[in-house]
Amino acid sequence: EAGVTQFPSHSVIEKGQTVTLRCDPISGHDNLYWYRRVMGKEIKFLLHFVKESKQDESGMPNNRFLAERTGGTYSTLKVQPAELEDSGVYFCASSQERGVREKLFFGSGTQLSVL
Amino acid sequence: KQEVTQIPAALSVPEGENLVLNCSFTDSAIYNLQWFRQDPGKGLTSLLLIQSSQREQTSGRLNASLDKSSGRSTLYIAASQPGDSATYLCAVKGNQGGKLIFGQGTELSVKP
Repeated sequence: EAGVTQFPSHSVIEKGQTVTLRCDPISGHDNLYWYRRVMGKEIKFLLHFVKESKQDESGMPNNRFLAERTGGTYSTLKVQPAELEDSGVYFCASSQERGVREKLFFGSGTQLSVL
Repeated sequence: KQEVTQIPAALSVPEGENLVLNCSFTDSAIYNLQWFRQDPGKGLTSLLLIQSSQREQTSGRLNASLDKSSGRSTLYIAASQPGDSATYLCAVKGNQGGKLIFGQGTELSVKP
């Protein structure tokens, strides 16, 4: 069974450009999360999808970030325009079951560098 | 606001030692607590999940404990091996929503 896959693994862009990150969750997992780790900080929650609906987007930094999950399958996270402080590792995670037993499966992340 | 702290930030031990990693959290009202492992350039792998009603979980050489009242969890690794070298992350899930709150992690190095 394939795990959570993320594309690209690395992205280097210039300030002001647009970048789109993609996440393919484990098949059958309704819950999809985006997290981010910036240099020197802890991993922080960005948002949570249940199928195609945004359940919680309280962690999205600002309106330069747009996440979608059309059809409830894969998800994209677009940053437009990118700023220097957006650099970091963006992780996607998925899960099948919510509640106290929820176990998240993480992808390897996308390392984003904004120059 | 929930905050998670992990001490130490880095730890280096010789192979074969038993060791303890610490995690503390400020709000005792949690759903569960998870310990993850992250290898360089890789994603997070869930090691152990302790539900709020549980006191500990064990998997092989790993044992995680949870004391909600004091806001603490420990990850005990027995007979450490060089392959255990990685960053270990603690995360709690609160009563509101499904998001995890992470600590900054402990970078463990086990020397042969």
